[in-house]
Amino acid sequence: DIQMTQSPSALSASVGDKVTITCRASQSVSMWLAWYQQKPGNAPKLLITKASTLDGGVPSRFSGSGSGTEFTLTITSLQPEDFATYYCQQYSSSSVTFGGGTKVEIE
Amino acid sequence: EVQLVESGGGLVQPGGSLRLSCEASGFSFSLYWMNWVRQPPGKGLAWISRINSDGSTTQYADSVQGRFTISRDNAKNRLYLEAKSLSNDDTAVYFCVRGGMSVRSWFDPWGNGTLVTVSS
Repeated sequence: DIQMTQSPSALSASVGDKVTITCRASQSVSMWLAWYQQKPGNAPKLLITKASTLDGGVPSRFSGSGSGTEFTLTITSLQPEDFATYYCQQYSSSSVTFGGGTKVEIE
Repeated sequence: EVQLVESGGGLVQPGGSLRLSCEASGFSFSLYWMNWVRQPPGKGLAWISRINSDGSTTQYADSVQGRFTISRDNAKNRLYLEAKSLSNDDTAVYFCVRGGMSVRSWFDPWGNGTLVTVSS
């Protein structure tokens, strides 16, 4: 299975900060990578597909980049509703795998 | 509105069995791959199984291979997960998730999940 490693596992930030989360794959997944946001008690919500395509209705302060084995999710000007856990997911292989998650907390 | 509603979770003893169900609405269910993803309490997401649009192809994570069976009834717009030989490690919220019309796709939307607790 392709292993997905996210870093950091947690971070503290303030409203208005720029936040960058990294996701590394153990082998190339090309552009077949998605990002999800999950708030406590809720199901994950799709943010980004194909590494950099924003899903409908997702604010433009979210962006994704990368290809192959290294990807980033960037949130510019963090908003109160952005405090959540973020997961990357590769869907390149027959066995889909998720990163371990990055919890974005209020500083 | 696209909606997925899971049911069938609950408390089950180790070694026991459970059947989860997911009712889909708001989209052409029979055209999409469907998935089950689980999340142990306080932990991350783990994909466990998927099935193609007509039910002829199924795939499983190693952690559940041989113990879990995914199936679907397109006439009823329902997805199922039969789970057997359950252990404490299977305790989790189980999400029903839509894939795409092809196998290589992101997951969207997600149901709200149903909690399965394996305990004596």
